[in-house]
Amino acid sequence: NAGVTQTPKFQVLKTGQSMTLQCAQDMNHNSMYWYRQDPGMGLRLIYYSASEGTTDKGEVPNGYNVSRLNKREFSLRLESAAPSQTSVYFCASTPFTARGTFGLDYGYTFGSGTRLTVV
Amino acid sequence: GDSVTQMEGPVTLSEEAFLTINCTYTATGYPSLFWYVQYPGEGLQLLLKATKADDKGSNKGFEATYRKETTSFHLEKGSVQVSDSAVYFCALISASGGSYIPTFGRGTSLIVHP
Repeated sequence: NAGVTQTPKFQVLKTGQSMTLQCAQDMNHNSMYWYRQDPGMGLRLIYYSASEGTTDKGEVPNGYNVSRLNKREFSLRLESAAPSQTSVYFCASTPFTARGTFGLDYGYTFGSGTRLTVV
Repeated sequence: GDSVTQMEGPVTLSEEAFLTINCTYTATGYPSLFWYVQYPGEGLQLLLKATKADDKGSNKGFEATYRKETTSFHLEKGSVQVSDSAVYFCALISASGGSYIPTFGRGTSLIVHP
């Protein structure tokens, strides 16, 4: 089925461990995003990639790194996990491009999320 | 910068009651407006959208009208069902500056009792 696929769905890490969250989309979308969702905080943007080969910081980038491996894949890495990074992480994509208004009314397609617990 | 304000929840209703979830926004330019729904354990799904003033988005019995004069995009449904229990997010996307960063509200939880 077309959409955004995230792996893993659940993960428990010890403080200081590292891991990579994977995200892939098969809709030929240009832009991809990583969000974290915490109770009472809504969605907060961590990093985004407006096109293949580019990445930019969002609202809460500290403690994370990203890689836009190709047009389909956008991974999020935690180099040294901390309990404050316990959250649900969502990847999203959209056909938006950096120029023009194509896709402005399209909205975003979200993955089903990765629930991460850091102990 | 852009912002979206939603009414705080949870909103608790009985089945077949009328639903309104308020959403107001501030944005530069002419944003597109969206409502997303998140069912338990799932990601966000696009519920409806409106791309210009006075447009009405609708889907699954839900409606919202883009009101530029009041900078609002309130979500309504005439008769809610238990299956509508979810978290609803209002969002906007603005093309100002060539950057398509969406702005989400904090979400409103809806609980519908039989």
